[in-house]
Amino acid sequence: GAVVSQHPSRVICKSGTSVKIECRSLDFQATTMFWYRQFPKQSLMLMATSNEGSKATYEQGVEKDKFLINHASLTLSTLTVTSAHPEDSSFYICSAPRSSDIDTQYFGPGTRLTVL
Amino acid sequence: RKEVEQDPGPFNVPEGATVAFNCTYSNSASQSFFWYRQDCRKEPKLLMSVYSSGNEDGRFTAQLNRASQYISLLIRDSKLSDSATYLCVAPLHTGTASKLTFGTGTRLQVTL
Repeated sequence: GAVVSQHPSRVICKSGTSVKIECRSLDFQATTMFWYRQFPKQSLMLMATSNEGSKATYEQGVEKDKFLINHASLTLSTLTVTSAHPEDSSFYICSAPRSSDIDTQYFGPGTRLTVL
Repeated sequence: RKEVEQDPGPFNVPEGATVAFNCTYSNSASQSFFWYRQDCRKEPKLLMSVYSSGNEDGRFTAQLNRASQYISLLIRDSKLSDSATYLCVAPLHTGTASKLTFGTGTRLQVTL
């Protein structure tokens, strides 16, 4: 069964609104989670690393004020897309590694965001 | 040069055929790699790991060539259900976790 969940699976919103996406590890604790974005016909691009109890680290070119990440507990990370615009429409996926095997990551089912 | 490069395809093969994908990487320090499979509009799922000794799992064989810095995936006796995008992935160890760098993926379409 799934070990990482994401909510919502799909969201449609108006331009200018903020959207929060949750990523949960279901049967293990994750001090680190990763957020990716995938545009149509492109690969997954790492946006940021979410660290429990500290600030997230963002990849080059990703605006930290636009994509707010909060890792408040060992099983939950949230990504908030603030003031979303149509160009933010994408497939957002989170992943989390188990501490016992940092190379193997479990991916959430993804959230498809459409900004009108 | 991209960190991980793949031929995007698509590879259209008949059922039962053998098909091979290659992936090149630029970071010579990478020790291990992964092949993930991604179905349309779904999250990627780990197919197999690739280490120096290679890896075989049923109809799937992965090889690593460090000298030429490429990884290969061979699929024998292709099934319709193998149709998907295959992603080559290089992990970068950061201490408590590994950051994954994905290739653009190679699309496989298996037909009757």
